[in-house]
Amino acid sequence: DVKVTQSSRYLVKRTGEKVFLECVQDMDHENMFWYRQDPGLGLRLIYFSYDVKMKEKGDIPEGYSVSREKKERFSLILESASTNQTSMYLCASSFGDRANQPQHFGDGTRLSIL
Amino acid sequence: QQQVKQSPQSLIVQKGGISIINCAYENTAFDYFPWYQQFPGKGPALLIAIRPDVSEKKEGRFTISFNKSAKQFSLHIMDSQPGDSATYFCAARLGNQFYFGTGTSLTVIP
Repeated sequence: DVKVTQSSRYLVKRTGEKVFLECVQDMDHENMFWYRQDPGLGLRLIYFSYDVKMKEKGDIPEGYSVSREKKERFSLILESASTNQTSMYLCASSFGDRANQPQHFGDGTRLSIL
Repeated sequence: QQQVKQSPQSLIVQKGGISIINCAYENTAFDYFPWYQQFPGKGPALLIAIRPDVSEKKEGRFTISFNKSAKQFSLHIMDSQPGDSATYFCAARLGNQFYFGTGTSLTVIP
């Protein structure tokens, strides 16, 4: 089974802090994604990466950056956390060049910014 | 602009009933349509998926109906059970990206 592991289930940080969310997948997937999930808004794409050191902005990249130094690991960085970034953050991965393959998700990190 | 529109936002069904969730899309280049199930405190998990050249796919109590001409697809849950209570997301794939509906919160009453 595909395993996408997010380093923290719950995280509480203060306004202005630099926050790192880590994600690791074990299926040699080319693509990795970061979403945030808010009630009534569904899943919104923050950033995705289709290869090591490659990144693409999603729909809501402002206030975030990402890093992908190794194929299996994709990090989301909140440069200076703000209260409006309190949310559930979901990491996902998928194959890049195979048809009919879904995304696989981690269990999320619930981040609270105080 | 929402690429995939999902309805209803919430749904309450009696145990043993049929739950139906609908999704619509505009981009005919989408080539894969998965449905995800999410329980509280967990990430979305793949439930069932369909290609656009297939009109129906069934796995156990879960069926996707796909209408390519109408650009609509739906999830039917037969004999709904309280354990099916969860949030359901439809999605559509284009290239490397997936576009998600806003989710349907399903409650199955015993």
